[in-house]
Amino acid sequence: QLQLQESGPGLVKPSETLSLTCTVSGGSLSSSNYYWGWIRQPPGKGLEWIGSIYYSGSTYYNPFLKSRVTISVDTSKNQFSLNLSSVTAADTAVYYCARAPRYSRTRFDPWGQGTLVTVSS
Amino acid sequence: QSVLTQPPSVSGAPGQRVTISCTGGSSNIGAGYDVHWYQQLPGTAPKLLIYGNINRPSGVPDRFSGSKSVTSASLAITGLQAEDEADYYCQSYDTSLSGSVFGTGTKVTVL
Repeated sequence: QLQLQESGPGLVKPSETLSLTCTVSGGSLSSSNYYWGWIRQPPGKGLEWIGSIYYSGSTYYNPFLKSRVTISVDTSKNQFSLNLSSVTAADTAVYYCARAPRYSRTRFDPWGQGTLVTVSS
Repeated sequence: QSVLTQPPSVSGAPGQRVTISCTGGSSNIGAGYDVHWYQQLPGTAPKLLIYGNINRPSGVPDRFSGSKSVTSASLAITGLQAEDEADYYCQSYDTSLSGSVFGTGTKVTVL
């Protein structure tokens, strides 16, 4: 059974870079059948897609975040990562990683449990 | 930035039927892209509930059903149960954003 687990600092200072890693177990990140994505949810608010990556390294990002987002993949570790630069309090959110089929890149299943990142000095 | 609009809340008594609408436009649902639905129980990650407009993943009760019209989609819950109390989100692809978009979310309350 595929499982995803987010990890990274729970507190980031304003203007710094938020860095998170998603570790995949029970399946291979190298599969050509899937995309891997990041989604976030500010406290008490709705879901926002951040971006997705294919095992080859091909990426596509939310245009509203594109200038600050980098998603990368490390198939040797079965991990993919999110970097979000120049963060502000508005980036405080629970960050989720998830898998989507290659033929339906918006269909996220399963999801990780999520990790709360707070932006504060 | 959500381009998919849902009612903020719906409610119903146990056993009743409730529906949640998801209204989009010509750059997403109206362009023919699939709609998916997620259920988010309090304090947990979203879970895929309906995919490809009408399909249920294995393990999802048939009380949940999806439909799609020209520029909108709907999620119906029949035989409402206390365990259905959660937030529900629709999702699709949007060509103007060249990416995934989620609906504004709907809180379902069981009276």
